[in-house]
Amino acid sequence: KQEVTQIPAALSVPEGENLVLNCSFTDSAIYNLQWFRQDPGKGLTSLLLIQSSQREQTSGRLNASLDKSSGRSTLYIAASQPGDSATYLCAAEDSSYKLIFGSGTRLLVRP
Amino acid sequence: DTAVSQTPKYLVTQMGNDKSIKCEQNLGHDTMYWYKQDSKKFLKIMFSYNNKELIINETVPNRFSPKSPDKAHLNLHINSLELGDSAVYFCASQPGANTEAFFGQGTRLTVV
Repeated sequence: KQEVTQIPAALSVPEGENLVLNCSFTDSAIYNLQWFRQDPGKGLTSLLLIQSSQREQTSGRLNASLDKSSGRSTLYIAASQPGDSATYLCAAEDSSYKLIFGSGTRLLVRP
Repeated sequence: DTAVSQTPKYLVTQMGNDKSIKCEQNLGHDTMYWYKQDSKKFLKIMFSYNNKELIINETVPNRFSPKSPDKAHLNLHINSLELGDSAVYFCASQPGANTEAFFGQGTRLTVV
């Protein structure tokens, strides 16, 4: 049974810092790994999707990597801004079309 | 235009009542889902439909019944609501497997 874990649970950084959010999964038989952002009281916004055959994906200041063999993914945020403050969720999609979510990392970027 | 829309956004109801949450997507996607986010913010899949056919049914009480009248709509009906059903329910859609998922804004259900 797939389990997804995110560390740290919460992170507070000053504006401008580069930061890394971690995601680990127990079953490497995944179709893809997706990163989402959730703002308070809002839905999830898809940030990046990394196919199982890929090593990384980039979008603007965001870079996500995937290492299937070690069951890890990281989300790198460069030059963080207060507007990046949100909860970041990773999810592994398995062969039964299910997204298995981690519990999220609450990020606060201080001005 | 909202890609995945849910109604209502908030729902407060008494124990024992029956309620429905509606979801519509205008993206032309074949696959739709219901997820539940509990008080600890943990998201867990409940159901998935592909082109109106149920493909995933997690261990959800049978008081919860999804209905997909067409591939653009997936509604969730809940009978005999219990306090533990209080949560945020998210609808989502994907073009198919192994593709980006799009989520609705969520329906916050409070059972009193």
